[in-house]
Amino acid sequence: SQELEQSPQSLIVQEGKNLTINCTSSKTLYGLYWYKQKYGEGLIFLMMLQKGGEEKSHEKITAKLDEKKQQSSLHITASQPSHAGIYLCGADNRDSNYQLIWGAGTKLIIKP
Amino acid sequence: DSGVTQTPKHLITATGQRVTLRCSPRSGDLSVYWYQQSLDQGLQFLIQYYNGEERAKGNILERFSAQQFPDLHSELNLSSLELGDSALYFCASSAGTLFKNEQFFGPGTRLTVL
Repeated sequence: SQELEQSPQSLIVQEGKNLTINCTSSKTLYGLYWYKQKYGEGLIFLMMLQKGGEEKSHEKITAKLDEKKQQSSLHITASQPSHAGIYLCGADNRDSNYQLIWGAGTKLIIKP
Repeated sequence: DSGVTQTPKHLITATGQRVTLRCSPRSGDLSVYWYQQSLDQGLQFLIQYYNGEERAKGNILERFSAQQFPDLHSELNLSSLELGDSALYFCASSAGTLFKNEQFFGPGTRLTVL
């Protein structure tokens, strides 16, 4: 069955620094989603990627899907306290009627 | 604010008991999804309803059941509760039937089973 592995598990970054979070799939990705979760709250949709090589940006967050469609990265430029939270990647699971499967999440802490 | 509401926010109960979690989707959304999030299992899809009908089933235990009512609100019923059922339960809604549609998550119900 398909699995998503996120790295790192947690990240502490000085405010203003850049950072990257990775999401690697055991199978080809046909739809990859990035969500952000504030501690103990619901998830907020960030971006969806579908095509190999696709890149999307929103404010200071850029997400990419590699050409082979097995890995996605989320890059934050000039991090701010508002970026703190848990970032989860989700993917369409073709083995289960395209239900979403999820990575374990990356906990991001921004040091002022 | 996502527009999805969940009640109650917190629930503390004992093993063997039964609870009902309630979700109201965003106005106009016909799909409702239920998820369980725990420290050891992460985020797991439980079940999806679309316009009152069950659409997809994930890792939902037989002790759990859900339904979506004509006004589109949904309830998740958890029975014969075990310690391991302690988790955050999220409801999400979307406009369409597909999982790829952007899902809007509620704030969650934190269930503690003692």
